[in-house]
Amino acid sequence: GQQLNQSPQSMFIQEGEDVSMNCTSSSIFNTWLWYKQDPGEGPVLLIALYKAGELTSNGRLTAQFGITRKDSFLNISASIPSDVGIYFCAGQSWETSGSRLTFGEGTQLTVNP
Amino acid sequence: KAGVTQTPRYLIKTRGQQVTLSCSPISGHRSVSWYQQTPGQGLQFLFEYFSETQRNKGNFPGRFSGRQFSNSRSEMNVSTLELGDSALYLCASSLGQSYNEQFFGPGTRLTVL
Repeated sequence: GQQLNQSPQSMFIQEGEDVSMNCTSSSIFNTWLWYKQDPGEGPVLLIALYKAGELTSNGRLTAQFGITRKDSFLNISASIPSDVGIYFCAGQSWETSGSRLTFGEGTQLTVNP
Repeated sequence: KAGVTQTPRYLIKTRGQQVTLSCSPISGHRSVSWYQQTPGQGLQFLFEYFSETQRNKGNFPGRFSGRQFSNSRSEMNVSTLELGDSALYLCASSLGQSYNEQFFGPGTRLTVL
């Protein structure tokens, strides 16, 4: 089956620093999405990417859909304490009908004030 | 517009029992997907319903089943519960087309004793 490798698994940074995380896949995806999950809550959609090479921003967040369609990265600039949480990438492919998502393992982000 | 709602938020059951979880999608959304989240396996796709029909299914045993009603609300049922079924069960709704984003509810935390 499809596998998504997300790295790093965890990050400990100081407030104000920039953060970068990425996902790679052995399969092609047509859509990449990035979610953030707080403890005890469901994932919240941050950014959706639809075209290879696409670069999209949402405030301090920037994400890119890799040219090969097998990877994506998420950058967070000038981190703040409320950025703490688990970030997940998710991919959707043509080969899968409907709205099925395959998730990465998550990146646990800790921001020290 | 109200988000995805899931009931109940917490549930405690014993082995061998069965359980039914409920999900109400965002108004106008016709697709509901279910995911299981555990520390060991991460987020795993269970199944997707669209217009009252199961459109896609993950690799879970037949003890896991679901249905969707004409108002797009969905229920998920797990029969003969096992300890390993303890997890956060998340439902996500979307408009239902291939490129539509999925929006998650807060989840139901199921504990099997």
